Amino acid sequence: DTEVTQTPKHLVMGMTNKKSLKCEQHMGHRAMYWYKQKAKKPPELMFVYSYEKLSINESVPSRFSPECPNSSLLNLHLHALQPEDSALYLCASSQPGGNEQYFGPGTRLTVT
Amino acid sequence: SQQGEEDPQALSIQEGENATMNCSYKTSINNLQWYRQNSGRGLVHLILIRSNEREKHSGRLRVTLDTSKKSSSLLITASRAADTASYFCATETGGGNKLTFGTGTQLKVEL
Repeated sequence: DTEVTQTPKHLVMGMTNKKSLKCEQHMGHRAMYWYKQKAKKPPELMFVYSYEKLSINESVPSRFSPECPNSSLLNLHLHALQPEDSALYLCASSQPGGNEQYFGPGTRLTVT
Repeated sequence: SQQGEEDPQALSIQEGENATMNCSYKTSINNLQWYRQNSGRGLVHLILIRSNEREKHSGRLRVTLDTSKKSSSLLITASRAADTASYFCATETGGGNKLTFGTGTQLKVEL
């Protein structure tokens, strides 16, 4: 199984809502990632988990809160977002050590 | 922050022609990777080339790496309409699984 799944596919939320994005992989990868991508731009790294521990936080605002409950799951909790946070949120996984990453299809988030 | 600049930004070719995309980066790397993205979907890994390698092939793809010039190129031979996508280079600098993506090239292959 070489698939990374993400739910939901689309999410519309108001600025006062709390929601969560979910990501799952069953490839035995021990590194998982969250990226944010705006239209016609490259993905921007947000967070990296390595062996279920947060190893990189790219100075992401605290309204984004990542969680890695186990080696297969990655969540991104969203609270009090701004309209400029509207974007495609991509999850990826890999074996640690700078190896190729496997991406999910993304969650398209719209903040109203 | 962005590590790589790609050119051209956009490329339109006829089916059967070759497509070449270039990537330049700024700092020393452990490896450089190329990804494809179809129309706002997830990225697909194409090829990884390590800093001590100069050329790598995978099917219709050929990647070169020149660490002295801090540049890489991706050649797609005999292009097909299904190759229409955005192509990104990404550099790994040994900073703990961190990939930094280039600006991307939008390739359109017309029938």
